[in-house]
This record gives sequence, C-alpha cells and structure tokens, in this order.
Amino acid sequence: QQQVKQSPQSLIVQKGGISIINCAYENTAFDYFPWYQQFPGKGPALLIAIRPDVSEKKEGRFTISFNKSAKQFSLHIMDSQPGDSATYFCAAFTRDTGRRALTFGSGTRLQVQP
Amino acid sequence: DTAVSQTPKYLVTQMGNDKSIKCEQNLGHDTMYWYKQDSKKFLKIMFSYNNKELIINETVPNRFSPKSPDKAHLNLHINSLELGDSAVYFCASSSRPHQPQHFGDGTRLSIL
Repeated sequence: QQQVKQSPQSLIVQKGGISIINCAYENTAFDYFPWYQQFPGKGPALLIAIRPDVSEKKEGRFTISFNKSAKQFSLHIMDSQPGDSATYFCAAFTRDTGRRALTFGSGTRLQVQP
Repeated sequence: DTAVSQTPKYLVTQMGNDKSIKCEQNLGHDTMYWYKQDSKKFLKIMFSYNNKELIINETVPNRFSPKSPDKAHLNLHINSLELGDSAVYFCASSSRPHQPQHFGDGTRLSIL
C-alpha cells in the first residue's frame, strides 16, 4: 500500500530552469513532510521539510508548497543547476503509535542539463 | 566526522549464508532505523529502535533480526540469505521519532 505517491518518476531540466516534483498522500494523520536528496552511492540527506500549519516554506533555491485540503505537496527547485542532479524523495511522518517512521514516495530522478 | 556510519559498504555472499551489518551514530540520537532500498530505489522502513527498545517492526521475514547493544548502535543480522534480499540497506538516526533523520551511506548487499 503506497501511502505517498510521487511524480514524475524522472525529470530532465535545462540549467537555470525550474524543477517541480509533486507528491500526494492519503493518511490525514501525517503531520511532517520532508524532502530528501540522494546522490549515487550516498544515503538520503534531508533537504527541506514542512509541517501542515504552513502553506509554503522556502530555503534558498528550494521551496515546498503544501495544500492540506488537496493532500498534496510539491518541491520547486529554482535556477536548477547540474549539481542538483540527484534522486529526490518526498516523505511523510505520523505520530500514530506504532507507525512513527517515514513513509517515502517512490523517488524522482532529476537530471539538470548544462 | 561521519555522523551515521555503516559497515561494510559492500557485502557479496552466497545464498543461505548468515551475515550482519553494523551501524553506529555519533550524534547522541535516541532513535535508530533500518531501511531497505530495492533496485527501483523504493525506500521502506524495516525496524525502528528508540532508547534500545523496538518500536517499529514492519512486515519483514523473521530471518532479519535487529540488535541494539546501546543507543549508539543498531546492527542488522540476516539469516539464510535469499536472492530477494539483494538491496541497499540504510541505517538512520534521529533525536526523537518525530525529528529529522540522518542516514548512513548504505550497505549494498548482493546475493549470488
């Protein structure tokens, strides 16, 4: 049962363009939504995260947009750079007893072409 | 200094063998996790320990057994390895279950 659906599976963007990755969730008990970045041969690294009491969070070139009523959230990478080429995972977390762990989306492989 | 370190980085072994993967974190975190990443890059939680106590045990074969000798270590022992166990296994830690998780660089397990 995939509780967090992520799209697209892969994305090619030109340098300087905007990369947009979308996620949708089902479980209304989720209350923390991080994005992780993973380079080949490395573990996922936390990029940016949001809680459902805000609709947007920005850190540098990275912005999360959150729509609680639609149960959707997205990552926008402005001025995309070749160094941003990696796999991006959205995730969701709930405090529900017995399920206090991250549920990951299926990942998006981003290629930023020079 | 590596925050979450796993050993070995690569593990190649035969079907039916027993192997262990070690994980150590030097962040002073109370909660540690094991995740499995399959060939399609899908990440799934396997186990979670908080203060050395098991708090999550997802539906994984009982051939997989986590061991937490202290808060800084969470090892994964796998008995009777099968072809389907081939994957990358990631250890992670967080200060508490609801806090950001820090991942190790993974152990790539290949079963021949």
